[in-house]
Amino acid sequence: EAQVTQNPRYLITVTGKKLTVTCSQNMNHEYMSWYRQDPGLGLRQIYYSMNVEVTDKGDVPEGYKVSRKEKRNFPLILESPSPNQTSLYFCASSSETPDTAYSRYGYTFGSGTRLTVV
Amino acid sequence: GQQLNQSPQSMFIQEGEDVSMNCTSSSIFNTWLWYKQDPGEGPVLLIALYKAGELTSNGRLTAQFGITRKDSFLNISASIPSDVGIYFCAARSYNTDKLIFGTGTRLQVFP
Repeated sequence: EAQVTQNPRYLITVTGKKLTVTCSQNMNHEYMSWYRQDPGLGLRQIYYSMNVEVTDKGDVPEGYKVSRKEKRNFPLILESPSPNQTSLYFCASSSETPDTAYSRYGYTFGSGTRLTVV
Repeated sequence: GQQLNQSPQSMFIQEGEDVSMNCTSSSIFNTWLWYKQDPGEGPVLLIALYKAGELTSNGRLTAQFGITRKDSFLNISASIPSDVGIYFCAARSYNTDKLIFGTGTRLQVFP
């Protein structure tokens, strides 16, 4: 089954303790992205990657890191989590190349990771 | 930066009623997408629009890409309880790598 898999689904951690949220897709998609979802703010992009070893900042990258060593994996790293990073996080992937004028496909999203930082 | 203004924020309707929601922006886009998010899940693509003026249907759902390329609407006809969820518009412009999302419309359907 074609899917984007995130782990863990739920995580409670303490301020300052490094954590990684994993994301893996089995569709051979080039484009992957991380979003956070907060009430009243919708989905905001954190980082994205157009292909292996190519990553770039989204709208809210502060406090996050990513890596893209393999095409299928795009982990999100919080080196020193803070309470304002408590949120619902989504990984997404797409088969389109973003600079294609008429891309035909939307993103496929994972099921989300609910992170609480205390 | 680019923003999508989605309205209404929430809707409480009775089963069988029609629903309409829209997204507007001051920016021009070349792709409009509508997603639905069920409780506890990630957003799932409902309809994609690629040309100004395009009107596309997916079952009871109909969406249109505004002529000005700055807006889009989504209609749901004869709502049913499983339509409950959050609906997001999303848009992309040709010269960016980003898909921008609206703030969502939370739909509740009562029997």
